[in-house]
Amino acid sequence: GQQLNQSPQSMFIQEGEDVSMNCTSSSIFNTWLWYKQDPGEGPVLLIALYKAGELTSNGRLTAQFGITRKDSFLNISASIPSDVGIYFCAGRDGGYQKVTFGIGTKLQVIP
Amino acid sequence: EPEVTQTPSHQVTQMGQEVILRCVPISNHLYFYWYRQILGQKVEFLVSFYNNEISEKSEIFDDQFSVERPDGSNFTLKIRSTKLEDSAMYFCASRDPGDEQFFGPGTRLTVL
Repeated sequence: GQQLNQSPQSMFIQEGEDVSMNCTSSSIFNTWLWYKQDPGEGPVLLIALYKAGELTSNGRLTAQFGITRKDSFLNISASIPSDVGIYFCAGRDGGYQKVTFGIGTKLQVIP
Repeated sequence: EPEVTQTPSHQVTQMGQEVILRCVPISNHLYFYWYRQILGQKVEFLVSFYNNEISEKSEIFDDQFSVERPDGSNFTLKIRSTKLEDSAMYFCASRDPGDEQFFGPGTRLTVL
């Protein structure tokens, strides 16, 4: 099956720092998605990317769909304590079928 | 804002017992999904459901699992005879055509 490799798996940063995490895939996806999961909650969609090379922002978050369609990155600028959580990259094939998730990046922000 | 709801939030059961996890998808959505997340691991796809039938399922979704949309609002996941390794968070998701999946808060299943 399709494998998503996400890195880093965890990170500690100081409040105010920028964060970058990325994801690579063994195969091509038509859509890349980034989700955030808070403890005891379900994944919440942050950004969806639909075209190779696309760069999309959502507030302090910026994500890019890699030109090869096998990778994506997420940047968070000027981190704040509520950014704490697990960030998952995910890929989806055409037809709005299943979402394949990466292992997640656990982010901890030190005030 | 409309949201996916799931009940119960936590279910404890004995190995071998049947469990039914319930979901109320967002009201105008037509596509429904179940995922699971074993503690500390990634979220894994189980099954997708559209037009009253399964459209895709993973290798995890074996004969012990079934899904049903018993009425116009609920979407259920049944595990016939639970095993210890079924312990996980189970997430329901739904979507509109042309939109992404919205996830519920999950049901934590503990099999003893």
